[in-house]
Amino acid sequence: DAGVTQSPTHLIKTRGQQVTLRCSPKSGHDTVSWYQQALGQGPQFIFQYYEEEERQRGNFPDRFSGHQFPNYSSELNVNALLLGDSALYLCASSSVGDRGFMDNEKLFFGSGTQLSVL
Amino acid sequence: EDKVVQSPLSLVVHEGDTVTLNCSYEVTNFRSLLWYKQEKKAPTFLFMLTSSGIEKKSGRLSSILDKKELFSILNITATQTGDSAIYLCAVEAPVDKIIFGKGTRLHILP
Repeated sequence: DAGVTQSPTHLIKTRGQQVTLRCSPKSGHDTVSWYQQALGQGPQFIFQYYEEEERQRGNFPDRFSGHQFPNYSSELNVNALLLGDSALYLCASSSVGDRGFMDNEKLFFGSGTQLSVL
Repeated sequence: EDKVVQSPLSLVVHEGDTVTLNCSYEVTNFRSLLWYKQEKKAPTFLFMLTSSGIEKKSGRLSSILDKKELFSILNITATQTGDSAIYLCAVEAPVDKIIFGKGTRLHILP
């Protein structure tokens, strides 16, 4: 059973370019959350997708957008890249429990995409 | 603003020592506190705490939550070099948004 898979593992872009990162959730999971982890920092919540809609959003500009597909996989898009966007981008998947809340004990992270903006 | 503060940010100890990592939080409508271990890239789940005063244990690791004082501790006894990692504390804010602290970078010397 594959866990959360992310692609690519590494990416180098230049300022002003656009980037798309991809995430396939663990089998049986329907919710995908994206996090940005800068060097020496904890992961920061970008947004969460459930039923192909953005369910929650952190404090990130509109340059960060996403999408969830019918098979629950997800993409993170970042436009007009800045040097400060250089970070590890983590995807985490889980499923919504019976009460409608995410089951955090079953939140699984992928290994991330390391983005470097030059 | 919701926030999670971990201390210390960095810790170096010798193998066999016991360490205590701290996590304090300010979150409206708290639902759970989570601990993760991050060795290379993907954080891995350690504990989820929802009730005060109930210790959770897994081998040499244990954790407890104090909802009155808004903090949690993670203890690791008889540390081994394989315990070297970043330990992340996170709190669930409404709804289903998880807020992480900066982490404690733990290094175990042989």
